[in-house]
Amino acid sequence: KAGVTQTPRYLIKTRGQQVTLSCSPISGHRSVSWYQQTPGQGLQFLFEYFSETQRNKGNFPGRFSGRQFSNSRSEMNVSTLELGDSALYLCASSLATLAGGTDTQYFGPGTRLTVL
Amino acid sequence: AQKVTQAQTEISVVEKEDVTLDCVYETRDTTYYLFWYKQPPSGELVFLIRRNSFDEQNEISGRYSWNFQKSTSSFNFTITASQVVDSAVYFCALSGVNTGNQFYFGTGTSLTVIP
Repeated sequence: KAGVTQTPRYLIKTRGQQVTLSCSPISGHRSVSWYQQTPGQGLQFLFEYFSETQRNKGNFPGRFSGRQFSNSRSEMNVSTLELGDSALYLCASSLATLAGGTDTQYFGPGTRLTVL
Repeated sequence: AQKVTQAQTEISVVEKEDVTLDCVYETRDTTYYLFWYKQPPSGELVFLIRRNSFDEQNEISGRYSWNFQKSTSSFNFTITASQVVDSAVYFCALSGVNTGNQFYFGTGTSLTVIP
């Protein structure tokens, strides 16, 4: 079974621009979560989507948004980029059910975003 | 609130030595889940193990073993006879039954195995 894939792998943007990152989960996984990883703040949860609905959200400003499509693929968007948004963005998928709860998350290789 | 502490920032060992990575967690949930992930230089987090709060049985998988102790809120990870390929950053993570798939990660321990 193919793992979680993320595109693009690397991205360079300038302040004020916006960016869209894409994630394709493992086949059969309906839950997709996004995390930001920086040297200073570590791994921080952004949000989780399940069946096209945002089910959980971390403590990030509204510039960070996401969506999920009917095939479970997910996109994350960051508008009005700031220098501090430079990070590795990781996507994870899991078999979490409609009832919620925890299941093991499997991570993709990440998208490394650099904001100049 | 959920919190994971990995006090060891960096560890260096010589190949074939045993090494233990510490993980201490805090949670008010009575049902929770603990995980260990490995992050090699490529960046992808690789799942190693999941442990449920109601299962305190320790586990061994090859050279890897995990010691879960609810009494001390710890979930430590031991690599026996370390190898150069074990060099990576290791993360401990926690999720609670009330926080669903929101994982709380520790700050990670960078392990370097010297040949």
